[in-house]
Amino acid sequence: NAGVTQTPKFRVLKTGQSMTLLCAQDMNHEYMYWYRQDPGMGLRLIHYSVGEGTTAKGEVPDGYNVSRLKKQNFLLGLESAAPSQTSVYFCASSFLTGHEQYFGPGTRLTVT
Amino acid sequence: DQQVKQNSPSLSVQEGRISILNCDYTNSMFDYFLWYKKYPAEGPTFLISISSIKDKNEDGRFTVFLNKSAKHLSLHIVPSQPGDSAVYFCAASIGGGADGLTFGKGTHLIIQP
Repeated sequence: NAGVTQTPKFRVLKTGQSMTLLCAQDMNHEYMYWYRQDPGMGLRLIHYSVGEGTTAKGEVPDGYNVSRLKKQNFLLGLESAAPSQTSVYFCASSFLTGHEQYFGPGTRLTVT
Repeated sequence: DQQVKQNSPSLSVQEGRISILNCDYTNSMFDYFLWYKKYPAEGPTFLISISSIKDKNEDGRFTVFLNKSAKHLSLHIVPSQPGDSAVYFCAASIGGGADGLTFGKGTHLIIQP
């Protein structure tokens, strides 16, 4: 039982490049979330999903897209990376409510 | 506008003493509050939570107190241990929390031997 895993762990992108961050959970959780954490800041919600095939915008969705084609996976895409998207990205999942969320180890992304 | 505020970026406490971490919120719609603990290079882990219908919840060494009239909650750790050194995030949600959590900026707790 791996819990929540994130791929990749680190990535450096040039401005304008695109990439996809993958989140996978093996706990059969319904809800999945993408957060970003910047230095000195708390986690801010980017997008979330309350079930397979559904997605919704969070607090800071601009510049990101998501997809939840399978229940266990939640993908975060950056179509044209900008330096302002340099951050640590955390994926989380939860079972029946959004309260006790299980977090992945994070992806550290640098955009130059 | 920050809806969940942790005004102390860091807190240093001696091992064995009580650690008290504070959190204030502005949105009166929040009805569920949580504390998460985070070690460097790891994701946050859930620690303890409290519903707005309660004013106290206890789990071992950890107790969370909620004062709704003051829009204030606190996390007490007794006794503090070296492994408690971490960043602690206060978080809040509305309803079932399906649409995510609102986090504070965190407090870095340092337990000194």
